[in-house]
Amino acid sequence: EAQVTQNPRYLITVTGKKLTVTCSQNMNHEYMSWYRQDPGLGLRQIYYSMNVEVTDKGDVPEGYKVSRKEKRNFPLILESPSPNQTSLYFCASNSPQGGIRSAFFGQGTRLTVV
Amino acid sequence: AQSVTQLGSHVSVSEGALVLLRCNYSSSVPPYLFWYVQYPNQGLQLLLKYTTGATLVKGINGFEAEFKKSETSFHLTKPSAHMSDAAEYFCAVTKGASGGYQKVTFGTGTKLQVIP
Repeated sequence: EAQVTQNPRYLITVTGKKLTVTCSQNMNHEYMSWYRQDPGLGLRQIYYSMNVEVTDKGDVPEGYKVSRKEKRNFPLILESPSPNQTSLYFCASNSPQGGIRSAFFGQGTRLTVV
Repeated sequence: AQSVTQLGSHVSVSEGALVLLRCNYSSSVPPYLFWYVQYPNQGLQLLLKYTTGATLVKGINGFEAEFKKSETSFHLTKPSAHMSDAAEYFCAVTKGASGGYQKVTFGTGTKLQVIP
């Protein structure tokens, strides 16, 4: 089954404790992205990657890092989390050759930073 | 710079009535436009997208949207609402050909309520 898998689904952490949210896709997609979703603000893109070792900033990259060492994985790293990074995070993947159903989103990771 | 404005954070319709969700965009280059749906506690699902060509785009679940350059709009419609359409809908704009890559800007979302 084609899917984007994020882990963990829920995470509560303390300010300053480094964490990584993993994202993996099994569709051999070139493109992957991270978003955060906050009430009233919709989704905002954090980082995106157009292929292995190719990443770029979205609209809200501050406080986040990403890496794309393998095509299937695109982890999101918070080096020193702060309470304003409490949010719902989504990973997505896509292929430029895909049709209407080509964009896949993960189930989301709800992060709380206390 | 690009931006998306969704008019109405909440929309209520009766079952069987027309669904109209409004989206206006701003883009410095010809845009690619998308509508996504999010059901409670789930990720987003792509409903439809406009890249080039025909301005009336048909998507899944009976939804369609029309790109109107003169009005900078990409409104989402469905002739007859079903209870299962209750969800949050997001409009998005990007310069790329596929939702989810390159720089994507989303609207703030419209929650659709369907009244029996």
